[in-house]
Amino acid sequence: QQQVKQSPQSLIVQKGGIPIINCAYENTAFDYFPWYQQFPGKGPALLIAIRPDVSEKKEGRFTISFNKSAKQFSLHIMDSQPGDSATYFCAASANSGYSTLTFGKGTMLLVSP
Amino acid sequence: DSGVTQTPKHLITATGQRVTLRCSPRSGDLSVYWYQQSLDQGLQFLIQYYNGEERAKGNILERFSAQQFPDLHSELNLSSLELGDSALYFCASSVGSGEGETQYFGPGTRLLVL
Repeated sequence: QQQVKQSPQSLIVQKGGIPIINCAYENTAFDYFPWYQQFPGKGPALLIAIRPDVSEKKEGRFTISFNKSAKQFSLHIMDSQPGDSATYFCAASANSGYSTLTFGKGTMLLVSP
Repeated sequence: DSGVTQTPKHLITATGQRVTLRCSPRSGDLSVYWYQQSLDQGLQFLIQYYNGEERAKGNILERFSAQQFPDLHSELNLSSLELGDSALYFCASSVGSGEGETQYFGPGTRLLVL
């Protein structure tokens, strides 16, 4: 049972483009939504996170948009660079007092020069 | 560098065998998490320990077990290994165990079962 659905599986954009990665969830108890970035041979690293009390959060070139009613959230990367080529995972955790995360299956992003 | 260390980096073993993966959390972190990453299943949460006690359990097989020691390092034991257990195993750590804690991932152990 996949509780966080992520799309697309892979994405190729040109340098300067704005890749968008989408995630949808079913569990209405989720209330913390982080995005992780993983480079080949490395572990995932937290990129940016959002809670449902805001509809958008920006950190540098990375923006999360959140639609609570649709139970969807997305990651936008502005002015993408070849160094952004990585696998991106969305995740969610519930307001249960626990810190465990449910991850989407990941999106492999390639930014061509 | 996240500050989380995992050993070994690579492990090759045969079906039916037993292996132990080791994780040292970041200094000051009390929570340790174990994840399995495979191409078809993505990142699957296995188990969490907080200050030596089991805190949460995910999709962990009965053949797998873990523990966290008084010095806070953790070990994941995988027994009666099957071909399908071949995967990347990540350890992560966080300061606490509450919702919204940032998890810092180690570099992973790549397990290949032949």
